[in-house]
Amino acid sequence: GENVGLHLPTLSVQEGDNSIINCAYSNSASDYFIWYKQESGKGPQFIIDIRSNMDKRQGQRVTVLLNKTVKHLSLQIAATQPGDSAVYFCAEKLTSGNTPLVFGKGTRLSVIA
Amino acid sequence: DGGITQSPKYLFRKEGQNVTLSCEQNLNHDAMYWYRQDPGQGLRLIYYSQIVNDFQKGDIAEGYSVSREKKESFPLTVTSAQKNPTAFYLCASSPRGGGRNEKLFFGSGTQLSVL
Repeated sequence: GENVGLHLPTLSVQEGDNSIINCAYSNSASDYFIWYKQESGKGPQFIIDIRSNMDKRQGQRVTVLLNKTVKHLSLQIAATQPGDSAVYFCAEKLTSGNTPLVFGKGTRLSVIA
Repeated sequence: DGGITQSPKYLFRKEGQNVTLSCEQNLNHDAMYWYRQDPGQGLRLIYYSQIVNDFQKGDIAEGYSVSREKKESFPLTVTSAQKNPTAFYLCASSPRGGGRNEKLFFGSGTQLSVL
């Protein structure tokens, strides 16, 4: 089947620096992508989403970039804070079908104070 | 206060026992999902339901069963046929069942362990 994977399983950044979390997807037909944040022992929380007709979308301190040519998705977090420490998942979906979101394995972000 | 409620937070299963995990939502969402998460791993789909009285198997449905008798509720039963049930179980819901952009809303999870 199609897979959603991540380049880096762990990422450590200094507080105040920018973080970049990467995700590779293999289903070229996917047209909707989401980033979730999961803190220890809790359910994932929505961060930001993007449709395939866009290549960039910004939220509060976060930006998602989509490169359909190389099937790559990234999440950028500006001025990383200790509260950003968590596991981040990307997920993909083909919206023309009835299939649910497919999640990647996740990247653990650790912020060093 | 709207949201998704999973209970219990911690659950222990004895050998050969069936256990049921509860998931209730008051968001008026049509679709509900169950995911399994093993330590350091991603989310794997067990079952999902896009409408009341209907549900579909996900990637790892063996050893699990569900029902969707009410829109608000989607309980998951971990049967004795599931030989490795220890995991963190997450329930989620979304406004629509498919074919459109879907943002999932997650509960706080149930940690199931085998005695």
